[in-house]
Amino acid sequence: EPEVTQTPSHQVTQMGQEVILRCVPISNHLYFYWYRQILGQKVEFLVSFYNNEISEKSEIFDDQFSVERPDGSNFTLKIRSTKLEDSAMYFCASSEAQGGLRDTQYFGPGTRLTVL
Amino acid sequence: KNQVEQSPQSLIILEGKNCTLQCNYTVSPFSNLRWYKQDTGRGPVSLTIMTFSENTKSNGRYTATLDADTKQSSLHITASQLSDSASYICVVTPRPTDSWGKLQFGAGTQVVVTP
Repeated sequence: EPEVTQTPSHQVTQMGQEVILRCVPISNHLYFYWYRQILGQKVEFLVSFYNNEISEKSEIFDDQFSVERPDGSNFTLKIRSTKLEDSAMYFCASSEAQGGLRDTQYFGPGTRLTVL
Repeated sequence: KNQVEQSPQSLIILEGKNCTLQCNYTVSPFSNLRWYKQDTGRGPVSLTIMTFSENTKSNGRYTATLDADTKQSSLHITASQLSDSASYICVVTPRPTDSWGKLQFGAGTQVVVTP
């Protein structure tokens, strides 16, 4: 069964450094998402992406964050200058459609980001 | 403002027993409501999906119910197994169309099944 993959599984970085989290969505999906989950807290929406542009973003997704689909398969989340509070599990998800029963978002296994 | 509230926060049950988890939401209008299972350190996996016109949906030993009038949903786990130990998250997809992707997550109910 196709699945969303994410790399790396764990990223440790120093405060102020840039990180790029990578995701390979399911191949026939058109909508892509990033979520984060701070330890012990609920999953929070960051951004959705469709047709090579951001379709929606949350208040968390400020100028430090950016997303890109550099080729036909990868979907990346970049954090330009990491802060301690960026430490979280970051989940990528993809869906075939939006609205209706085909909008099930399939989640990747996550990347645990630790900012020191 | 948290638009999806779940209870209880955590739950310990004996293997083989049944349990019911609750979800109250204020997201309105909404497109659909899902229950996800999240194993520790993993991404959420969809268990059930219900549109606003559906009352119940089953997936094996998992049965979800929805009352759109009272804005309540429940997830019933029958004959629990050790592998059911996980966080169960209620997720609401809002309408209108500019919020399709912006899922509203509950905080989850942590279920621990003991032998």
